[in-house]
Amino acid sequence: SQTIHQWPATLVQPVGSPLSLECTVEGTSNPNLYWYRQAAGRGLQLLFYSVGIGQISSEVPQNLSASRPQDRQFILSSKKLLLSDSGFYLCAWTADVSGNTIYFGEGSWLTVV
Amino acid sequence: QKEVEQDPGPLSVPEGAIVSLNCTYSNSAFQYFMWYRQYSRKGPELLMYTYSSGNKEDGRFTAQVDKSSKYISLFIRDSQPSDSATYLCAAASGGSYIPTFGRGTSLIVHP
Repeated sequence: SQTIHQWPATLVQPVGSPLSLECTVEGTSNPNLYWYRQAAGRGLQLLFYSVGIGQISSEVPQNLSASRPQDRQFILSSKKLLLSDSGFYLCAWTADVSGNTIYFGEGSWLTVV
Repeated sequence: QKEVEQDPGPLSVPEGAIVSLNCTYSNSAFQYFMWYRQYSRKGPELLMYTYSSGNKEDGRFTAQVDKSSKYISLFIRDSQPSDSATYLCAAASGGSYIPTFGRGTSLIVHP
């Protein structure tokens, strides 16, 4: 069966520090991968998605970036965090091009102080 | 106007009640419809998905899609306190990699 792992689960970072959140999917190949952010009361905001290695589409311009160095690995990064980057970050995947069966990881809580 | 609209609630019901959660959407191209359950501080969990119009049942949960009125519903029978969570609806069109999510409805089932 397929599983998705996301880490770290919780982190507190100072303003201006770098960020790296990592996500891996097991049990499937060539998945579509997604990074979402969920702010309190604001729903899910799609940040990046990837349909293959090295292929990244950005939905929201900001100081975050994403990379997909391997087929089942997706990384969310920032060189310098802002207070506004605080939130709940979710990695997700689907094997279906219609996006109708998208599965989420457990999420990473980021607090920028 | 957001493509998928969902009342944020909270919706508070007594244990054992039938719960009706609803969403409306505006994009006629949507063909796939999903419901997710999200517990506090956890990632959303896919509960059900349906294709086009009709009903789909899984245990105490029934998903219903009415494409003519662009209305999506999730019914929960015999609701339990463990059903207390935020429920997100989502929709996707064929060939799109990206589903559109509602903002979620908070459900509280009290004993």
